Amino acid sequence: EAEVAQSPRYKITEKSQAVAFWCDPISGHATLYWYRQILGQGPELLVQFQDESVVDDSQLPKDRFSAERLKGVDSTLKIQPAELGDSAMYLCASTPVNRGPYNEQFFGPGTRLTVL
Amino acid sequence: AQTVTQSQPEMSVQEAETVTLSCTYDTSENNYYLFWYKQPPSRQMILVIRQEAYKQQNATENRFSVNFQKAAKSFSLKISDSQLGDTAMYFCAFVLDDKIIFGKGTRLHILP
Repeated sequence: EAEVAQSPRYKITEKSQAVAFWCDPISGHATLYWYRQILGQGPELLVQFQDESVVDDSQLPKDRFSAERLKGVDSTLKIQPAELGDSAMYLCASTPVNRGPYNEQFFGPGTRLTVL
Repeated sequence: AQTVTQSQPEMSVQEAETVTLSCTYDTSENNYYLFWYKQPPSRQMILVIRQEAYKQQNATENRFSVNFQKAAKSFSLKISDSQLGDTAMYFCAFVLDDKIIFGKGTRLHILP
């Protein structure tokens, strides 16, 4: 069964360092999402892609976060520099058609980031 | 702005019992979607059930059903004949115009 892949699963970094997370959605899924999930809370959308284009990045802290999906397939989320408050689970999700979240979102296992 | 509230941070029930998870939301819109997602320990989040706001009939998926009260802005999830594998975080989510808002979740423990 096809799944959303994410790597690394765990990342420990020091404050002010750069980190990058990778996501490979299910083949053929046009819409890709990055979420941040702070411990004890629900996921919060950071950025949404439709193919290679950003649809919504209104909640992305653009001074330190960047995201790209150059060929409309896999995606990278970067944080530079990392801050203590960035410690969280970073989830990637995808949907098969361009109807946004009305369709079921398929989530990856997440990357747990710890900033020391 | 839309908000989603899950008032039960944590619940425990015995295996085979029925449990209801609460969710309320706030919106002035009329057409939207509601979801329940399940996040098992150390595993990815999966969709449990979905409800379109324009449908009066409550959605049902096997042992999972919802009680959708649009006027009260309530969307509770009922799990019947609970199983050990139902142990997970459960998130209620509100969707409008491609924007999805998750509640803070309810941690559900099914006890043997």
